[in-house]
Amino acid sequence: QKEVEQDPGPLSVPEGAIVSLNCTYSNSAFQYFMWYRQYSRKGPELLMYTYSSGNKEDGRFTAQVDKSSKYISLFIRDSQPSDSATYLCGLRADKLIFGTGTRLQVFP
Amino acid sequence: NAGVTQTPKFRVLKTGQSMTLLCAQDMNHEYMYWYRQDPGMGLRLIHYSVGEGTTAKGEVPDGYNVSRLKKQNFLLGLESAAPSQTSVYFCASSLGTKTGQPQHFGDGTRLSIL
Repeated sequence: QKEVEQDPGPLSVPEGAIVSLNCTYSNSAFQYFMWYRQYSRKGPELLMYTYSSGNKEDGRFTAQVDKSSKYISLFIRDSQPSDSATYLCGLRADKLIFGTGTRLQVFP
Repeated sequence: NAGVTQTPKFRVLKTGQSMTLLCAQDMNHEYMYWYRQDPGMGLRLIHYSVGEGTTAKGEVPDGYNVSRLKKQNFLLGLESAAPSQTSVYFCASSLGTKTGQPQHFGDGTRLSIL
């Protein structure tokens, strides 16, 4: 079993939709949780990070962590074509582990 | 504001050839990392460095060597390239490993081994 599981997609949604991206994990030692966005032929860039259960909001993005269920989510409100990218979750205990990424396509 | 710069951006090698990938950062970060990204495998850590003159093995170090002679540079070497090393290689740097000290990535080197 992988330490971090992430559906590869692709997830295709119309502009304006609410998008939910998720990762599940097996190691309860993970304490810090991150979401990276990666555009085609570019490196990952950090979107959000959190270290506690609950929600953290930044503009149209909300990161949610449920440590009891070992489940993290990234919600994107009012999705835009410019949000089309691959989204990777990152989880850190003594080392940083990445999910395989979910490819998101937002069409006009 | 360059951040993390990787050279070259693309390279094609023949099996058995050697090459060095260069990573440079201008953020005065202590930590530097080399990852490879393959379809369905995500980002996997090859080697990392916690400061000038130090290196350590990551998850998939075999077939690679690294050097950190200067704080701002981190070199990844392939001594005898194999087709299994065809991948996209990313360099990253960070101030440390605490919350609020995220890794900053370059735009990658696409390497094909024939």
